[in-house]
Amino acid sequence: IVLTQSPGTLSLSPGERATLSCRASQSVRTTSVVWYQQKPGQAPRLLIYDTSSRAPGIPDRFRGGGSGTDFTLTISTLEPEDSAVYYCQQFADSPNTFGQGTKVEI
Amino acid sequence: EVQVVASGGGLVQPGGSLRLSCAASGFTFSTYWISWVRQTPGKRPEWVANINEVGDIRYYLDSVKGRFTISRDNAKNSLYLQMDSLRVEDTAMYYCAPNRVDWGQGTLVTVSS
Repeated sequence: IVLTQSPGTLSLSPGERATLSCRASQSVRTTSVVWYQQKPGQAPRLLIYDTSSRAPGIPDRFRGGGSGTDFTLTISTLEPEDSAVYYCQQFADSPNTFGQGTKVEI
Repeated sequence: EVQVVASGGGLVQPGGSLRLSCAASGFTFSTYWISWVRQTPGKRPEWVANINEVGDIRYYLDSVKGRFTISRDNAKNSLYLQMDSLRVEDTAMYYCAPNRVDWGQGTLVTVSS
């Protein structure tokens, strides 16, 4: 399953909304889609699992949604610390796959 | 508190072997599929292998089939990756990645002569 993320880069200001897209080449069950945030020099951090459930400690400005082949990550009110690369992943099928990432610049 | 700690990385020559370990705590280890995922700087993460809850189903990335072996010991809350016939292109940070659980820090594998 190929995951295609868009846009490649998103440049926004603090307080704005960011909408990140992850499109799968075939339908993926919602319990198998996760989102990660990665900052330079750090390990990826789990944000969202099961398409829309926030991982422990993740602020409620991060929201995941979608179904079938189209999934989104929305950051409702951007904070400066949200600058990072965001990856989607599916583990419905092996090989598990990752999108190429969306870089969010604030 | 959930903790996932990968270890065992290092510098090895091409053709050599390494065994990675992952120690987990703070969640019910035996009920999770778990993967090894690797990443090189500036690239997306790459899934390497995974194993089911009881350890009798395993899948591998094509490029590591026949060279890497994933295993687990649920009594010790531990995951392993035996890596043989290592290649320069296997150089990466390796992460232990239980489904739906934060990965923690990885362990660096460098294959170089």
